[in-house]
Amino acid sequence: ETGVTQTPRHLVMGMTNKKSLKCEQHLGHNAMYWYKQSAKKPLELMFVYSLEERVENNSVPSRFSPECPNSSHLFLHLHTLQPEDSALYLCASSQDATGDFSSTDTQYFGPGTRLTVL
Amino acid sequence: AQSVTQLDSHVSVSEGTPVLLRCNYSSSYSPSLFWYVQHPNKGLQLLLKYTSAATLVKGINGFEAEFKKSETSFHLTKPSAHMSDAAEYFCVVSSGTYKYIFGTGTRLKVLA
Repeated sequence: ETGVTQTPRHLVMGMTNKKSLKCEQHLGHNAMYWYKQSAKKPLELMFVYSLEERVENNSVPSRFSPECPNSSHLFLHLHTLQPEDSALYLCASSQDATGDFSSTDTQYFGPGTRLTVL
Repeated sequence: AQSVTQLDSHVSVSEGTPVLLRCNYSSSYSPSLFWYVQHPNKGLQLLLKYTSAATLVKGINGFEAEFKKSETSFHLTKPSAHMSDAAEYFCVVSSGTYKYIFGTGTRLKVLA
């Protein structure tokens, strides 16, 4: 596997279910991101991890819970979601070479998980 | 504060004709700018990036973009469109940290 992979690619869940999205990067990067992509809206940054520490929680509801056990893996745990949470969830990674992020850092994206909440 | 505006939500071109996707940005300092492409049901793929080196940036698949500071623009061009170029294109400005500011996207349609 190369690049950034995400599983599952598609997920349908009820509002009372608990599920998890998984992201794995094979690029040796040290920063990972979760984004939400909804129809007709710009991509929304949800969470950022650098060296396994969360550096951003962009006012995301607590029904979304991220986990970064190591620099290669990122999870998004989902529980009691709402229908408006249906979207494409994208994971990305980058190499934070300077230790304080740089405007030149390039983010590499996975294929996304298409989530439908019934 | 940084912002980015993609001036067209939809662009249609005929196969073999030039492509122009327009992007204007606002930044309080010298920005980094990126173009990404997203094919249906796929993630975002980096096409090219500008990071204060050469103002004309060449990317993959024959795309290029020119950074024009006086016009605060970073338009994406390709001399000859292929059917496989049909996708959604995102212009991005980097805020100097990890925060990408995304445009709302331009959907490119290529007509046979």
